[in-house]
Amino acid sequence: QVQFQQWGAGLLKPSETLSLTCAVYGGSFTGYSWSWIRQSPGKGLEWIGEINDGGSTNYNPSLKSRVTISADTSKNQFSLKLNSVTAADTAVYYCARGLSKFVTDAPGYWGQGTLVTVSS
Amino acid sequence: QAVLTQPASLSASPGASASLTCALRRGIYVSSYRIYWYQQKPGSPPQFLLRYKSDSEKQQGSGVPSRFSGSKDASTNAGILLISGLQSEDEADYYCMIWHNSAWVFGGGTKLTVL
Repeated sequence: QVQFQQWGAGLLKPSETLSLTCAVYGGSFTGYSWSWIRQSPGKGLEWIGEINDGGSTNYNPSLKSRVTISADTSKNQFSLKLNSVTAADTAVYYCARGLSKFVTDAPGYWGQGTLVTVSS
Repeated sequence: QAVLTQPASLSASPGASASLTCALRRGIYVSSYRIYWYQQKPGSPPQFLLRYKSDSEKQQGSGVPSRFSGSKDASTNAGILLISGLQSEDEADYYCMIWHNSAWVFGGGTKLTVL
């Protein structure tokens, strides 16, 4: 059963860079796609982007200019960086694994999420 | 116009069936897409329920009861999550999602109240 441990700064000031890391336990890291999704307080889900087994990435077009997702397969970890944050980036950030191996597939297994607040 | 549109709320009685819709934007045809459905309860991450493209191409999430099922309505260009035999524990937010233009796109979610 795949499990996740997320960490990163929970309180940021406007214009700073959000940085989160997700460690994966209990399953293979290779072969899957790894996503970041966020949810603003009281709002719906917004997919941020993903990195796949080969290291290629896909991003939400609305965030693409500010987002970088990377992975360290030797540590079974992947990371999110979001530049120039504003209050609108305040959200619970989830890491997740794709349902199936070796194909683009939906986030099927989710971490518990990390609240990141942007406030001056 | 949003890619996926879900009604904000829906109420139904215990034991009844609830049909949650996910309408695709005009010009995006439901027949071409796998529709994914998630359930989210307060304070918890979303849980994958099922995906549906056709009766021959569908997948139930691990441990998800068979009273959760998917379908499509081509006439309204919508994906449908049908929950039969509603239970109080089904009260939650439900999100649909598709892979569109190399990105995962969520609907705005439907809050299902069971009362």
